[in-house]
Amino acid sequence: DSGVTQTPKHLITATGQRVTLRCSPRSGDLSVYWYQQSLDQGLQFLIQYYNGEERAKGNILERFSAQQFPDLHSELNLSSLELGDSALYFCASSAFFPDEQFFGPGTRLTVL
Amino acid sequence: KNEVEQSPQNLTAQEGEFITINCSYSVGISALHWLQQHPGGGIVSLFMLSSGKKKHGRLIATINIQEKHSSLHITASHPRDSAVYICAVRSNGNQFYFGTGTSLTVIP
Repeated sequence: DSGVTQTPKHLITATGQRVTLRCSPRSGDLSVYWYQQSLDQGLQFLIQYYNGEERAKGNILERFSAQQFPDLHSELNLSSLELGDSALYFCASSAFFPDEQFFGPGTRLTVL
Repeated sequence: KNEVEQSPQNLTAQEGEFITINCSYSVGISALHWLQQHPGGGIVSLFMLSSGKKKHGRLIATINIQEKHSSLHITASHPRDSAVYICAVRSNGNQFYFGTGTSLTVIP
């Protein structure tokens, strides 16, 4: 157990819908990262937050947004969902950056 | 063009064998990560390197910054080492790039 929690574990929704994925980092970790893993594209970096501020942005679509709250948990919002958004979404946390990252168990999103 | 290339893509070994997985990258980096992903999907960070060599138990990771190359070695491989091993780099521009992974199967 990495100490990083993600909810929900599985999510099934329809095209055009909006969902929110939640991540709680390890106790004391200030940095949160979001990644997408799909069968055809592999792992991709979406976005990083450090102590509430956006630190780095990767291949995050405009339909997606994220934030880190004062209690350091983070949410990833995915809207106007398309079939191609079906993937595993991982959250990871680290104490600082660059630093070793601890990954959550992931949220499996299926868009029908 | 992929910023991170791994080889081999697939690897089958007999229990006890010494295993090497290679990673080459094309960007300037601040850190390189080796990750392990088991069939259930969970990801574990094995190493973070910015120079030299690190060792955890039977795992050894090395990096050559000048040659932009890293290797992950597993000594005395065991069936429980069967997993996908992924090389990832954090670029100087604060982007993360991932290799496509090496699928390792260790046969008893």
